[in-house]
Amino acid sequence: GIQVEQSPPDLILQEGANSTLRCNFSDSVNNLQWFHQNPWGQLINLFYIPSGTKQNGRLSATTVATERYSLLYISSSQTTDSGVYFCAVGGKAGNTPLVFGKGTRLSVIA
Amino acid sequence: SAVISQKPSRDICQRGTSLTIQCQVDSQVTMMFWYRQQPGQSLTLIATANQGSEATYESGFVIDKFPISRPNLTFSTLTVSNMSPEDSSIYLCSVEGRASNIQYFGAGTRLSVL
Repeated sequence: GIQVEQSPPDLILQEGANSTLRCNFSDSVNNLQWFHQNPWGQLINLFYIPSGTKQNGRLSATTVATERYSLLYISSSQTTDSGVYFCAVGGKAGNTPLVFGKGTRLSVIA
Repeated sequence: SAVISQKPSRDICQRGTSLTIQCQVDSQVTMMFWYRQQPGQSLTLIATANQGSEATYESGFVIDKFPISRPNLTFSTLTVSNMSPEDSSIYLCSVEGRASNIQYFGAGTRLSVL
């Protein structure tokens, strides 16, 4: 099956700093999503981005499908950005479950 | 999009008992997915539930332990049977949106087994 690797596993930032999270995957995908898991366990969908670039406020994401990686950029980080960021991918066909990476645990310090 | 309601949101159970988790979607969907997230870990797929047929379980998960029902296109249940402390996890259901490949998740059920 598809393998998903995220880096770094842990990241500590000073408030206001920028960061880049990486997701590598082992096979072609038709779905790639970035999630933020808040302290209550809720998965918040940040981006659906199987290819290309998207931006939403201080967050942006880029997926280079041909090279099988995706990047999540967080600019001007805030303490509320703390939590775990997951990259998850879905296989070639629709209606297939997501395979999750192990996540990046981000701590933003004031 | 899809709105998913999961119940209960949390529970504390005694070992040896069973808990049934409900997942209700606001639209008809073909497949529903059940995931488990053990403390400090990532999400792992338990099974895929297709309406009208038996659920398909991933390696390491068996129907006797995690029976799933899918009576219609908007509802599913996952039962965690004969619980032990190792079953303490967050359990989440997920569906794919009708007009896209985007997958949506319920808020999860946080289970603690004593």
